[in-house]
Amino acid sequence: EAQVTQNPRYLITVTGKKLTVTCSQNMNHEYMSWYRQDPGLGLRQIYYSMNVEVTDKGDVPEGYKVSRKEKRNFPLILESPSPNQTSLYFCASSPQDRSYSPLHFGNGTRLTVT
Amino acid sequence: AQKITQTQPGMFVQEKEAVTLDCTYDTSDPSYGLFWYKQPSSGEMIFLIYQGSYDQQNATEGRYSLNFQKARKSANLVISASQLGDSAMYFCAMREEWDDKIIFGKGTRLHILP
Repeated sequence: EAQVTQNPRYLITVTGKKLTVTCSQNMNHEYMSWYRQDPGLGLRQIYYSMNVEVTDKGDVPEGYKVSRKEKRNFPLILESPSPNQTSLYFCASSPQDRSYSPLHFGNGTRLTVT
Repeated sequence: AQKITQTQPGMFVQEKEAVTLDCTYDTSDPSYGLFWYKQPSSGEMIFLIYQGSYDQQNATEGRYSLNFQKARKSANLVISASQLGDSAMYFCAMREEWDDKIIFGKGTRLHILP
């Protein structure tokens, strides 16, 4: 089954404790992206990647890191999480054919930082 | 400047009525795609419908149609004969051909009343 898999689904952590949210897709998509969703703010793009070893900042990259060592994986790293990073996070992927490919989303990771 | 604007934070509609969810966008790229996603209370993001900037006809997918008015830069989602299961958050998104970011609006929460 074609899918984007994020883990974990739920995560509660404390301020400053490094964490990684994994994302993997099995559709051979070039484009992958991370979003955070907050009430009243919609989805905001954190980072995206056009292909292996190519990553770029979205609109809210502060406090996050990503890597794209393999085409299928795009982990999101919070080196020192803070409470303002409490949010619902989505990983998404699509073929890199520019403007007409919808994103395929993972099921989301709900992160709470205390 | 906000690139995607959804002016209706929430809507209440009687079951079986048609619903129009508004979306306006801003771009100078002549080639772009517009997308609508549904997010039910379970949290997953479901792709509904796509409209390309060069498409001559409005997109339709079952009960969903897109009222695309290019000159006005609007791409409103129309749901015909609404059902209780249509209650969800709806997001409009845009992907420009020459910008690798994919931008979402803040969403409209739709409530279908029995």
